[in-house]
Amino acid sequence: DQQVKQNSPSLSVQEGRISILNCDYTNSMFDYFLWYKKYPAEGPTFLISISSIKDKNEDGRFTVFLNKSAKHLSLHIVPSQPGDSAVYFCAGLNSGGSNYKLTFGKGTLLTVNP
Amino acid sequence: DTGVSQNPRHKITKRGQNVTFRCDPISEHNRLYWYRQTLGQGPEFLTYFQNEAQLEKSRLLSDRFSAERPKGSFSTLEIQRTEQGDSAMYLCASSSALRGITGELFFGEGSRLTVL
Repeated sequence: DQQVKQNSPSLSVQEGRISILNCDYTNSMFDYFLWYKKYPAEGPTFLISISSIKDKNEDGRFTVFLNKSAKHLSLHIVPSQPGDSAVYFCAGLNSGGSNYKLTFGKGTLLTVNP
Repeated sequence: DTGVSQNPRHKITKRGQNVTFRCDPISEHNRLYWYRQTLGQGPEFLTYFQNEAQLEKSRLLSDRFSAERPKGSFSTLEIQRTEQGDSAMYLCASSSALRGITGELFFGEGSRLTVL
């Protein structure tokens, strides 16, 4: 069962515009949600996270929104830059579990065109 | 470089052979994780160590897979009698106790396995 779904395999935006990446989840036990960014030939890098008790978290150009009733979160990047071009993974975490394992979606390839 | 280091970066082997990957985590991190990523998929959890204790193993980790973390420092992941389905990127990550609770992991660059 796919507990974290990223239904858009790819997204293309113009430099300076907003990028919105979406993620849906099914596991109600997740209490943290994270976004990781991955460049080719590199490992994933933590970008931003949000606790399930919040609905928004902002860090510079990156903002994550959480809608618990819809089991949906989104990552907004404003303004988008060519260096943001990467694969973005959404992940859920049940911190009450014994292993702190992350459950990842399949990722969305973001391309920011100059 | 004080990040997570993985070796080898790429391993090509024939079916039936054994392979071993090594991970050196960030030195002060006591938590270490192995994930596997196949083409078009996100990373999938394999196993987790807290210090030298292996606390969790995924059902993905068949009997042919074994992971160790002697003395709570580096870790090895061994795959015996490799199969073509084992071809994947094997990612190691580490975290401190505090950051691990909220899911902030530091990943290495991965070890890509190709089984012919």
